Amino acid sequence: AQSVTQLDSQVPVFEEAPVELRCNYSSSVSVYLFWYVQYPNQGLQLLLKYLSGSTLVKGINGFEAEFNKSQTSFHLRKPSVHISDTAEYFCAVIPGAGSYQLTFGKGTKLSVIP
Amino acid sequence: DAGVIQSPRHEVTEMGQEVTLRCKPISGHNSLFWYRQTMMRGLELLIYFNNNVPIDDSGMPEDRFSAKMPNASFSTLKIQPSEPRDSAVYFCASSFVNEQFFGPGTRLTVL
Repeated sequence: AQSVTQLDSQVPVFEEAPVELRCNYSSSVSVYLFWYVQYPNQGLQLLLKYLSGSTLVKGINGFEAEFNKSQTSFHLRKPSVHISDTAEYFCAVIPGAGSYQLTFGKGTKLSVIP
Repeated sequence: DAGVIQSPRHEVTEMGQEVTLRCKPISGHNSLFWYRQTMMRGLELLIYFNNNVPIDDSGMPEDRFSAKMPNASFSTLKIQPSEPRDSAVYFCASSFVNEQFFGPGTRLTVL
């Protein structure tokens, strides 16, 4: 079974500073990778996804992530965070084409400090 | 598109009562998922439907939980009888290929 590890449960960062949220997954032949964001009292919204092709994926709100197959990682980055980025971020993986099982990490709470 | 619609958004009930959560997936999506989110266990997949047929219900906690999808535009998750440990946020999600679109969730509190 797939597993997803988000190494940091909480990340405080000052406004306009860069941020990286880390995600590692258990190895598989091929995987589809996702980052979702959850604002307080709301559902999950897709930030970005990696299905194939370029390993650098750009998403909404200025976020990007890089797929690193050798390190089985899919870290999320933003060069300059805003107060409105305060939310919980979830990394998730589907073990390849034909599978439906979306396995989530435990989440990382990003707190942007003014 | 209105997105995935869930109702009610909040439900407070007493232990032993029946609870029914409702979901309307995005039109054209052929897969529907029910998840439960708690502080302790994070996001857990409860059940997965494809073309209205339950494919995987291994995540359903126990017989008190049941889910139906009578047609492509409606699904229910029922808990009978409810218990305090069922308190959580329940999400419905739908998809066509790989990306799952989540509803706003139903926050269930069982007293």
